[in-house]
Amino acid sequence: NAGVTQTPKFRVLKTGQSMTLLCAQDMNHEYMYWYRQDPGMGLRLIHYSVGEGTTAKGEVPDGYNVSRLKKQNFLLGLESAAPSQTSVYFCASSYGDHNEQFFGPGTRLTVL
Amino acid sequence: SQQGEEDPQALSIQEGENATMNCSYKTSINNLQWYRQNSGRGLVHLILIRSNEREKHSGRLRVTLDTSKKSSSLLITASRAADTASYFCATDARDDKIIFGKGTRLHILP
Repeated sequence: NAGVTQTPKFRVLKTGQSMTLLCAQDMNHEYMYWYRQDPGMGLRLIHYSVGEGTTAKGEVPDGYNVSRLKKQNFLLGLESAAPSQTSVYFCASSYGDHNEQFFGPGTRLTVL
Repeated sequence: SQQGEEDPQALSIQEGENATMNCSYKTSINNLQWYRQNSGRGLVHLILIRSNEREKHSGRLRVTLDTSKKSSSLLITASRAADTASYFCATDARDDKIIFGKGTRLHILP
């Protein structure tokens, strides 16, 4: 099993450009999450999903959109990237809401 | 929203020594989890302790939970170079998503 995978691993964008980050899991988990990790800030929840076709806002959702069209995939979109969105983005999945989360390797995004 | 706060922020110890890091939180929880993050990698789950448990062991890891003090500790015994990483506590409140603390950076000196 691959677990949780993320693509791409690295990306550099110019301000105003758009992009989509892809997260895939092969553990048949219902719950999926997108976090961002900034120095000194820990992990902050952007959006999450409790099942196929559902999405919900987390702590820092502004500037991001998500979609969960298939159970195994969770997409994070940036419509108009800003330098404040420079960060490392992690996707995670879990069987239930209060269970351990399995993390992907991360995507390092730089917005110039 | 509540948040686990780890203490200390950074810790350096000699290989073979024990490492202890603490986590404090603000409101009642369902459970508390500890994760490890090696440099440049994603987080890896270490251990989950439920609110009705006081202590849990996993290999060289020992986690305690004191709900009256709203605190938890993670003890790593006989530390190894491979234990160098950041350690995060994650608190799981009844009406909230899991919230991660800012982490403790552990460095094991040879």
